[in-house]
Amino acid sequence: NAGVTQTPKFRILKIGQSMTLQCAQDMNHNYMYWYRQDPGMGLKLIYYSVGAGITDKGEVPNGYNVSRSTTEDFPLRLELAAPSQTSVYFCASTPDLTGVDGYTFGSGTRLTVV
Amino acid sequence: AQSVTQLGSHVSVSEGALVLLRCNYSSSVPPYLFWYVQYPNQGLQLLLKYTSAATLVKGINGFEAEFKKSETSFHLTKPSAHMSDAAEYFCAVSESAPDMRFGAGTRLTVKP
Repeated sequence: NAGVTQTPKFRILKIGQSMTLQCAQDMNHNYMYWYRQDPGMGLKLIYYSVGAGITDKGEVPNGYNVSRSTTEDFPLRLELAAPSQTSVYFCASTPDLTGVDGYTFGSGTRLTVV
Repeated sequence: AQSVTQLGSHVSVSEGALVLLRCNYSSSVPPYLFWYVQYPNQGLQLLLKYTSAATLVKGINGFEAEFKKSETSFHLTKPSAHMSDAAEYFCAVSESAPDMRFGAGTRLTVKP
C-alpha cells in the first residue's frame, strides 16, 4: 500500500549511543517532516525537507540531524542519545507546501533512551 | 504565530451519545484547520479539514466540524458515538508551511 513507512517500530538505546530512524514514502511527495510526540504535548516539528537536498530546522532540532538524498527517503539521525530524546517519532509527507491536503503519517518509532 | 488549544485532555461518553471535542485556534491570517485521529500504536490519520470553503466540514466515520471565525473555534462532533471511535484526536492549524501546529490532543473514551 502507498504511504509512509518508518523503521524500526521500537528501539531501546543507551545514553550516548547513536541511531538512524528510517522514513520512506512512495507517493512522490516533495515535502517531508519529522515530528516527536510526547504525552500531553502534541507533536513538535524537528526537521523538514522541501525536496531532495534541501532540509531545514523545525521547532526542536537540537540533538538531531537529517539528510534528503532522494525524494523517497528522509532519515533522522540521533547522535549521542539522551534520556530527553525518549519519545515517539513520526515521519510525515505532503504533496503541497501549504499542507492544504493534510499530512500522511507513518506509524511511528517508539524510542526509549536509558 | 498560530497556535491551537484543545479543551479537555480526556473526554468520556457513552455509546450512542453525542461526541463533542473542542478546539480553539489563534491565527493572524485565515488558516487551514485539521482534525486528525490516532488509534493506539498507529500514526495520525486525517479526519477532516477546513480550507476556506464551506464552514461545516464533513469527514470520515460520521465526524464533522464547524469553522466559526467569530469564536476562533473548530469543534469536532459526531451525533452518536461508537466503540470504535475510542482514540486520541488532534486539532491542527496551518497558516503557512511547514509550520503546522498541533494541539496537545484529546483522548476519547467510549463506554458501553
